[in-house]
Amino acid sequence: EPEVTQTPSHQVTQMGQEVILRCVPISNHLYFYWYRQILGQKVEFLVSFYNNEISEKSEIFDDQFSVERPDGSNFTLKIRSTKLEDSAMYFCASKAGLQETQYFGPGTRLLVL
Amino acid sequence: GESVGLHLPTLSVQEGDNSIINCAYSNSASDYFIWYKQESGKGPQFIIDIRSNMDKRQGQRVTVLLNKTVKHLSLQIAATQPGDSAVYFCAEPRFIPGGTSYGKLTFGQGTILTVHP
Repeated sequence: EPEVTQTPSHQVTQMGQEVILRCVPISNHLYFYWYRQILGQKVEFLVSFYNNEISEKSEIFDDQFSVERPDGSNFTLKIRSTKLEDSAMYFCASKAGLQETQYFGPGTRLLVL
Repeated sequence: GESVGLHLPTLSVQEGDNSIINCAYSNSASDYFIWYKQESGKGPQFIIDIRSNMDKRQGQRVTVLLNKTVKHLSLQIAATQPGDSAVYFCAEPRFIPGGTSYGKLTFGQGTILTVHP
């Protein structure tokens, strides 16, 4: 069964450093998403991406965040200068054009020290 | 504001019992809901969805009921097993303004289901 994959599974970084989180969505999907989940809290939407552009973003997704689909398979989330409060699980999700269900990857646990 | 929320944060059941997890929503225009299961250290996993033109939908050992009058939905798990232990979220996709497809998911807080052998 096709699935969303994410790398790395864990990332530890120093405050102020840049991190890139990678995702490979399900191959025939057209809509891509990033969410985050701070420990013990609910999953929060960050950004959605369709047709090579951001279609919607949350207040969390400020200028320090960016997304990119550099090729036909990868979807990345970059945090330019990490803050302590960026520590969270980051989930990538994707869905096919006409199918409403989003399928989630296993997540990347980011720890900012 | 609009929200999707859970009534109870935790639910403990014995193996073999039926489990019922509840969720309330506030936007009467909401017309599509999804239940996700999240095991420890993993991403949300799709369980079942329901649209507002239905009151009930069944899957394998799971049933979702939607009561639009009181803006409430529930997830029923039959013959609960230890492997069902997880956090369960109801989620609502939101329309993209001017678009034709659903966009971001808004998640509730989640209910922690613990199944005792």
